[in-house]
Amino acid sequence: EPEVTQTPSHQVTQMGQEVILRCVPISNHLYFYWYRQILGQKVEFLVSFYNNEISEKSEIFDDQFSVERPDGSNFTLKIRSTKLEDSAMYFCASSEQGFNTQYFGPGTRLTVL
Amino acid sequence: KQEVTQIPAALSVPEGENLVLNCSFTDSAIYNLQWFRQDPGKGLTSLLLIQSSQREQTSGRLNASLDKSSGRSTLYIAASQPGDSATYLCAVGVGNAGNMLTFGGGTRLMVKP
Repeated sequence: EPEVTQTPSHQVTQMGQEVILRCVPISNHLYFYWYRQILGQKVEFLVSFYNNEISEKSEIFDDQFSVERPDGSNFTLKIRSTKLEDSAMYFCASSEQGFNTQYFGPGTRLTVL
Repeated sequence: KQEVTQIPAALSVPEGENLVLNCSFTDSAIYNLQWFRQDPGKGLTSLLLIQSSQREQTSGRLNASLDKSSGRSTLYIAASQPGDSATYLCAVGVGNAGNMLTFGGGTRLMVKP
């Protein structure tokens, strides 16, 4: 069964560094998403992406964040100048259409020291 | 702003028991509602999706209902098994075509043999 994959599974970085989290959505899906879950808190929406542009973004998704689909298979989240509070599990998801089931990847645990 | 609440936060039941998990949301203007399962340190597994025009969905031992006007959904698990132990999350689809999921805090379920 097709699944969303994410790399790396765990990323450790120093405060102020830039990180890129990578995702491979399910191949026939058109909508891609990033969510995050800070330890012990709710899963929070960051951004949705469709047709090579941002469809929607939350208040969390400020200028520190950017997304890109650099090729036909990858979907990336870049976090510039990381802060301690960026430490969280970051989930990528994809769906066929915007109102369809969203399928989540296993997540990347980001630790900012 | 949409708020999603799940009660109870934790639940422990003996194996074989039928159980109901509750989800409530403050704004009835949703496109859909999705139930997920999350195992410790893992990603989210989609269980059921109910579109706003539907009243319920069934998959195996799981049945989810939606009452949009009252802002409530329930997830019914029949004949619970130890393998059902996990955190169950509900999320409502809002924004452009429902592609922004707003999550509840989850119900942590333990099914004892």
